[in-house]
Amino acid sequence: AQSVAQPEDQVNVAEGNPLTVKCTYSVSGNPYLFWYVQYPNRGLQFLLKYITGDNLVKGSYGFEAEFNKSQTSFHLKKPSALVSDSALYFCAVREVNAGNMLTFGGGTRLMVKP
Amino acid sequence: KAGVTQTPRYLIKTRGQQVTLSCSPISGHRSVSWYQQTPGQGLQFLFEYFSETQRNKGNFPGRFSGRQFSNSRSEMNVSTLELGDSALYLCASSLYGASGGYTFGSGTRLTVV
Repeated sequence: AQSVAQPEDQVNVAEGNPLTVKCTYSVSGNPYLFWYVQYPNRGLQFLLKYITGDNLVKGSYGFEAEFNKSQTSFHLKKPSALVSDSALYFCAVREVNAGNMLTFGGGTRLMVKP
Repeated sequence: KAGVTQTPRYLIKTRGQQVTLSCSPISGHRSVSWYQQTPGQGLQFLFEYFSETQRNKGNFPGRFSGRQFSNSRSEMNVSTLELGDSALYLCASSLYGASGGYTFGSGTRLTVV
């Protein structure tokens, strides 16, 4: 069975400061990992994914994430936060060769204050 | 190209009624998945369809069903609605077997009263 944990319900950061949203996962085999962002009353917008290769993945809007196999983590990062980054962030995992089902973490609300 | 289209955006139903939600995937995408999002349970997988066949199913009661048509459009149906079925229902399309590329629609907000 696959699972995802996002240990922080909310992350607060000042505009211009770096941000990190944490994610750890558990799968039996190799993972595909994803980050999505959700704005109020909207669906999920894709930010980035890790499939294979370079452990540092760069995505949309200046976000990046680092895949760490030994720590089974896939933390989302951004060097300089913007107020407009305030939203709900979801980490998701899909086990390779296990169908198209995504398992999501509980979500982390990012609040960027001016 | 057009994104994933879900209709209707909002829906209010009464307990005991049934409801049908629609999802049109991105052109060329043959896999459609459905997810339920609630404040208490978060995002939960309902089912996935590919080429009109259900490939995977989540842990939901039989009141939740779906189907996919030959043009890849998908519908999900919930019968005998309960208050707890109130949720945002999200549809995602992808190329089956691809290593990513899940695109979500804006969702249908279902309220059961």
